[in-house]
Amino acid sequence: EAGVAQSPRYKIIEKRQSVAFWCNPISGHATLYWYQQILGQGPKLLIQFQNNGVVDDSQLPKDRFSAERLKGVDSTLKIQPAKLEDSAVYLCASSLEIGQGETQYFGPGTRLLVL
Amino acid sequence: AQKVTQAQTEISVVEKEDVTLDCVYETRDTTYYLFWYKQPPSGELVFLIRRNSFDEQNEISGRYSWNFQKSTSSFNFTITASQVVDSAVYFCALSEFPGYNQGGKLIFGQGTELSVKP
Repeated sequence: EAGVAQSPRYKIIEKRQSVAFWCNPISGHATLYWYQQILGQGPKLLIQFQNNGVVDDSQLPKDRFSAERLKGVDSTLKIQPAKLEDSAVYLCASSLEIGQGETQYFGPGTRLLVL
Repeated sequence: AQKVTQAQTEISVVEKEDVTLDCVYETRDTTYYLFWYKQPPSGELVFLIRRNSFDEQNEISGRYSWNFQKSTSSFNFTITASQVVDSAVYFCALSEFPGYNQGGKLIFGQGTELSVKP
C-alpha cells in the first residue's frame, strides 16, 4: 500500500513570496492533517480535514496560510506571503477515520526555507 | 490543557546498551490515546505504537517495550540492545478529544534525539 505522498521535498523562497505544498493521502483515508514542525520542536497541527470539510483550523494563521481539499482526496497548503518564521518542515498525515485514537500516517514532509 | 513533556533532549549510547526514553503527559480527559513515533534523518514520522488510557498492560515488540503508568502519567519507551539504526528523534504524542466527530489532533512532545554509536 502506498504511503502519504508530498511534494516538493524541499523549497527555498524569499520572504514575501508565495509557496504551495501538495499532499496525497493513503487511499481510502478520510481524514487529512497538515502539521508544521519547526526545527527542534514537535509537530503542531495547522489544519484538519474530514473528507473535504475543515474540522479544525484553529492554529492556522489565516492571514497568510490557506488550505483546501476540494475532492476529499489530495490537499494543497499555501503560504502567501511567506515570513522568515515560516521556515519549517510541513508534514501531511492521514488517518482512516476521524476521532480520538485513530493512527495517523505521515508523509516525508516538505522542508521550507524562507530567506 | 493537554501537554506532553519529553525531558530528555538528547541521549547518546553505545551499541547494545539499553536505553529508556521518558514521556510524561497532562490531560483532563479520562479517555485518551498515547503514541510513539520515530523520525529518522529522512524526516518521515514512523508510527511505533498506540495505547489507550484503559489499557495499562506493558507491551513488547521485539527490542522495543513500552511502560504505561496512569498513576504517574507516564508512557516510557525502552529499546533493548540498541543498534545504530535506532538513531533518530523519537516523539511521544497525546490524542485530544474535543468532542463528537472531532478529535484526532496529536499533541507532540519536544522529542528526544537518540544517537547510538557503534
